[in-house]
Amino acid sequence: KQEVTQIPAALSVPEGENLVLNCSFTDSAIYNLQWFRQDPGKGLTSLLLIQSSQREQTSGRLNASLDKSSGRSTLYIAASQPGDSATYLCAVSDTGRRALTFGSGTRLQVQP
Amino acid sequence: GAVVSQHPSRVICKSGTSVKIECRSLDFQATTMFWYRQFPKQSLMLMATSNEGSKATYEQGVEKDKFLINHASLTLSTLTVTSAHPEDSSFYICSVPGLGLYNEQFFGPGTRLTVL
Repeated sequence: KQEVTQIPAALSVPEGENLVLNCSFTDSAIYNLQWFRQDPGKGLTSLLLIQSSQREQTSGRLNASLDKSSGRSTLYIAASQPGDSATYLCAVSDTGRRALTFGSGTRLQVQP
Repeated sequence: GAVVSQHPSRVICKSGTSVKIECRSLDFQATTMFWYRQFPKQSLMLMATSNEGSKATYEQGVEKDKFLINHASLTLSTLTVTSAHPEDSSFYICSVPGLGLYNEQFFGPGTRLTVL
């Protein structure tokens, strides 16, 4: 059974700092990996999707990497802003199964 | 990306009543939809896979007689929480897989259920 772990559980940084969020998964036979953002009491906003054959994806200040063989992904946020404050969720889709297995999330607070 | 709606966005009900939550795919047809549940300060957990024209597939530990899923059309799946109890209070959210090869998931805005 796939298990997804995210470290750290919570992170507080001053505005402008670069930061890295970590995600690991136990079964490397994944189809893809997605990073989401969730604001309190709200739904999910898709940030980046990485196919299993890809190494990284970039969108603006966000860069996600994938090392499938070691079961790890990182989300890099450059020049953090208070508006980046949210919970970031990592999720994987297994081969042949289209539902997602989510990590427990990293709660990010960017202080002005 | 796909647009997915959910209704209602928030519902408060008394213990013992049934609540129906709708998930609609607004811009393409979906033979499969997924229902997730998120308890406070926890992550999303898959409850069931909704299949158009056939029975839903439930995850281990999810009572199929309590959480009734009906995928009556290619754009609508409904989740009915029957005889709701306070422990069913949660955030229920659906997703629709994209049509492309990437299997990107598109999520609805979620429904906050509070059972008194």
